[in-house]
Amino acid sequence: AQSVTQLDSHVSVSEGTPVLLRCNYSSSYSPSLFWYVQHPNKGLQLLLKYTSAATLVKGINGFEAEFKKSETSFHLTKPSAHMSDAAEYFCVVSDGYGGATNKLIFGTGTLLAVQP
Amino acid sequence: EAGVTQSPTHLIKTRGQQATLRCSPISGHTSVYWYQQALGLGLQFLLWYDEGEERNRGNFPPRFSGRQFPNYSSELNVNALELEDSALYLCASSPGTRTIDQETQYFGPGTRLLVL
Repeated sequence: AQSVTQLDSHVSVSEGTPVLLRCNYSSSYSPSLFWYVQHPNKGLQLLLKYTSAATLVKGINGFEAEFKKSETSFHLTKPSAHMSDAAEYFCVVSDGYGGATNKLIFGTGTLLAVQP
Repeated sequence: EAGVTQSPTHLIKTRGQQATLRCSPISGHTSVYWYQQALGLGLQFLLWYDEGEERNRGNFPPRFSGRQFPNYSSELNVNALELEDSALYLCASSPGTRTIDQETQYFGPGTRLLVL
């Protein structure tokens, strides 16, 4: 069965410093992985996705993630945090091998706080 | 291009009543998904519809049901409401099962259901 584990429930950084949000995955085959962001009282916005092409994936708003099969990790990074980045971030794996189920399996989320 | 839309934004019901939530997918998308985001339980997959048919169902009781209309919009019905049904209900859409990007889901802003 597919699963993801977000290693930190809360991360606090200062504005202008790097962001690292950690995610490990478990999959019996080559997974499709995503990062979504949820701002307070909003829906989910897709940041980026990995679907077995390039292992370094660039997303919106300066975020990127690197797929490392040997470490079963898909960590999200950004070189310089902005106040508007404060939100909850979800690492997600698709359970949709061959389109069989297509459901997304969500991590428990990491709440990112950005200090001025 | 318009994103996924949901209505209503907020819904207040009492125990035992029925709730109906609506979702319109991105134009051209044929798959619609429903997720529940309840406090303390995270994001959980509810239902997947594609081309008018239910394709997959999460671990929820039968009083959670839905349908997809010929224009691909969807309705989620929750019967015999219980207090623990209070949650944010998120709808997502994706291109159909015969497309390359079928696993990428785009979310709406959600309907917040409060059961008193």
